Amino acid sequence: AQSVTQLGSHVSVSEGALVLLRCNYSSSVPPYLFWYVQYPNQGLQLLLKYTSAATLVKGINGFEAEFKKSETSFHLTKPSAHMSDAAEYFCAVSDPAWGGYQKVTFGTGTKLQVIP
Amino acid sequence: EAGVAQSPRYKIIEKRQSVAFWCNPISGHATLYWYQQILGQGPKLLIQFQNNGVVDDSQLPKDRFSAERLKGVDSTLKIQPAKLEDSAVYLCASLPGLAGEGSYNEQFFGPGTRLTVL
Repeated sequence: AQSVTQLGSHVSVSEGALVLLRCNYSSSVPPYLFWYVQYPNQGLQLLLKYTSAATLVKGINGFEAEFKKSETSFHLTKPSAHMSDAAEYFCAVSDPAWGGYQKVTFGTGTKLQVIP
Repeated sequence: EAGVAQSPRYKIIEKRQSVAFWCNPISGHATLYWYQQILGQGPKLLIQFQNNGVVDDSQLPKDRFSAERLKGVDSTLKIQPAKLEDSAVYLCASLPGLAGEGSYNEQFFGPGTRLTVL
């Protein structure tokens, strides 16, 4: 069974500061990993994904994440926070061995607050 | 390209009443998902369709929830009767590609339907 743990349900950073959102996964096989962002009253939108190519993945809006197998982690970072980054972020894992169909398990989410 | 459409956006009902949600995925997307997102939690998969067939409904409370995807395009999710704990946002998502291709594709989400059960 696959699962995702996101440490910290709320994270606050100052505008211009480093953003670090933590995600650890559990999977019996090398997984596919995703970060989605959800703005208020909207659906989720993909930020980036890891599919076993490069371990450092770059996404939209200046975000990136590094896959570390030894730590079973896929933390999301951004060097400099912007006010528009305030949203809820979800880490998700997909088992690639699940018959080719995508079955994603989402974490509980981290709400990012950016302080001016 | 039009996104995933959902309606209604908001619904308030009394417990024991029935409610239905509608989803129209992105044209050509074979896979469709319904998720339940309770406040403070991540989306939880309810049911997954591949065209008009069910791939996974293991987490769907079948005594009260039902879903269909006629003709492999749009889909409806129904709750009958509703309970207080069904208050949540119901998200629909679609994904391009067929079996064997879809494990790593991006899911495209609709805006969701916020259900309040009183």
